[in-house]
Amino acid sequence: NAGVTQTPKFRVLKTGQSMTLLCAQDMNHEYMYWYRQDPGMGLRLIHYSVGEGTTAKGEVPDGYNVSRLKKQNFLLGLESAAPSQTSVYFCASSRGGYNEQFFGPGTRLTVL
Amino acid sequence: AQSVTQLGSHVSVSEGALVLLRCNYSSSVPPYLFWYVQYPNQGLQLLLKYTSAATLVKGINGFEAEFKKSETSFHLTKPSAHMSDAAEYFCAVSAPHDYKLSFGAGTTVTVRA
Repeated sequence: NAGVTQTPKFRVLKTGQSMTLLCAQDMNHEYMYWYRQDPGMGLRLIHYSVGEGTTAKGEVPDGYNVSRLKKQNFLLGLESAAPSQTSVYFCASSRGGYNEQFFGPGTRLTVL
Repeated sequence: AQSVTQLGSHVSVSEGALVLLRCNYSSSVPPYLFWYVQYPNQGLQLLLKYTSAATLVKGINGFEAEFKKSETSFHLTKPSAHMSDAAEYFCAVSAPHDYKLSFGAGTTVTVRA
């Protein structure tokens, strides 16, 4: 099992550009999450999904959109990147609400 | 709403010494509590979790944590630090049946030879 994988690992964008981060899991988990990690702030939840075709806003959703068209994939989109979106992005998945969340290796995004 | 406070953003210990990382939580209902570890340039990995069973929880790599309701704490300990314990540690809380986790700011552990 690959677990949770994220594509790409690194990306540099210019302000105003768009991009999509891909998260894939092979554990048949219902729940998937996108977090951003910034120094001294821990992980903050951007968006999450409790099943295929469903998405919901987390703590810091502004400037991001998501889609969960297939159970195994969860996409995070930035329509118009801003320097404030420079961060490390983590995807996670879990079997149920209070079960362990499994994390991907992260994507380091820099917006110039 | 649930929240977590981790006391101390950096902890430095000698190899073989006790590791103690402090976590206090705020929750309106009995919480579920977690400790995760993040090694450099990697994702987070679960160390242990408390879900209302035994108050002393044993995890991987010799770590354990004790849930103390009266102190609203869930401190993480390891009796003897190893060089491989150098990492960042995150405490997290959720309410039962709530699939969202709230993370603390993290504590970076450095182990001195």
